[in-house]
Formats: sequence, C-alpha cells, structure tokens
Amino acid sequence: ETGVTQTPRHLVMGMTNKKSLKCEQHLGHNAMYWYKQSAKKPLELMFVYNFKEQTENNSVPSRFSPECPNSSHLFLHLHTLQPEDSALYLCASSQARGTSGDETQYFGPGTRLLVL
Amino acid sequence: DAKTTQPPSMDCAEGRAANLPCNHSTISGNEYVYWYRQIHSQGPQYIIHGLKNNETNEMASLIITEDRKSSTLILPHATLRDTAVYYCIVLLRNNDMRFGAGTRLTVKP
Repeated sequence: ETGVTQTPRHLVMGMTNKKSLKCEQHLGHNAMYWYKQSAKKPLELMFVYNFKEQTENNSVPSRFSPECPNSSHLFLHLHTLQPEDSALYLCASSQARGTSGDETQYFGPGTRLLVL
Repeated sequence: DAKTTQPPSMDCAEGRAANLPCNHSTISGNEYVYWYRQIHSQGPQYIIHGLKNNETNEMASLIITEDRKSSTLILPHATLRDTAVYYCIVLLRNNDMRFGAGTRLTVKP
C-alpha cells in the first residue's frame, strides 16, 4: 500500500462512452501525475499537476481531460476513446516538483482500461 | 536528462543476492539515480534513490561508482516475490521521470 489509490481498477468502455478515472493520495503531497503504460511499452508521462495547477501536458489528445480539484485528488476524464487507448493508466504523487521538497514519486495500482 | 542502459533480463537463485547493474555515463552532477520495480500489471514501486553516496534501506542497497557513471542495485536475499521488472532512472529536479525498458529479474527456486 503506497498511499495512492485508484478507482476503478478495471474499466471496459465503448468508443462513444464517457468515463472518469479517479486517483486519491493520502500522503500530503503537492504534485500529482498521470502516466499511460501500453502493452510492451515503457511508461509515458501524460500530465503533471503541481499545487493544483497543470504544469505539463505531453501532447496528449484532447479526448483525455485531466482535472485536479485539490492536491489530494486527480481525475482523468475520458471521451470518444479509440481501441489503441487501451492501456494501464497510472497515477503518482510526490511531495513537490521543482522545489526543495522530495521528488520521489509514489504510484497507485493503476486502472486497466479496455476500449472496445 | 541522462539516459540509462540496463540488461534486458537476469536470473537469480532464491536466497542469493541479486545485483542489478545500470549504466548512466552521461549523468550530470545534480541528477539523482532512482530505482523502481514493477510486478506484473501493478504500479511501479519505489525502491531507493541516491545522488553520490551509497544508500541502504529495508528493501535494497544502492552502490554508485565514484565517477557516478554507473550504479548497482543490490537485493541482499532475493525471494520469489522479488521477480519483477526493475527500472533505473536518472532524474534532474523539476524534470520528467523517464522510464525505459528496465531489467526483468526472475528469481528461481
């Protein structure tokens, strides 16, 4: 147990559906991250939030929409996804980013997404 | 950011020490060396990190060479549950943590 939880753990959705992934961290951290891990590929960073502000968007298609209402919660809203978006979506948090704090990232268990 | 090179796979006998090497010959003076592992279909698990000095915690030891161009992660007494993909990452503050392919460690009975 890392202190980072993700729900749901598994999700199957059609290409016309809208769904949301939720991440919550209980570590008092100020930075949160979304990663994507496709089959047999390295983790890819998608979004970074630092003190609730989005500081990075790594050319992610607009069908993925992040939301960070506070430092403890992070959402990834999904709409009109494609089958190639099927992957493990991982959330992580760190105490800080770019400050004197610890940048060690702690990961949640992930959401396994299948787009049909 | 510095790139890392790791062997794609390694085997280790249960109960023996597992020594996982990582080359990071282009590392700069203020980049940290991080190690994570990922057991199948789970989120990556933080193991240890260091800057210049060797580090030890309850999970592992990290040995960084004096010139910082390579490091070794040591699992002192490997168990079957240590079978995983191990990632060596160099991280510059306020930069992205970039995961490569890692080393697939298989601990055998």
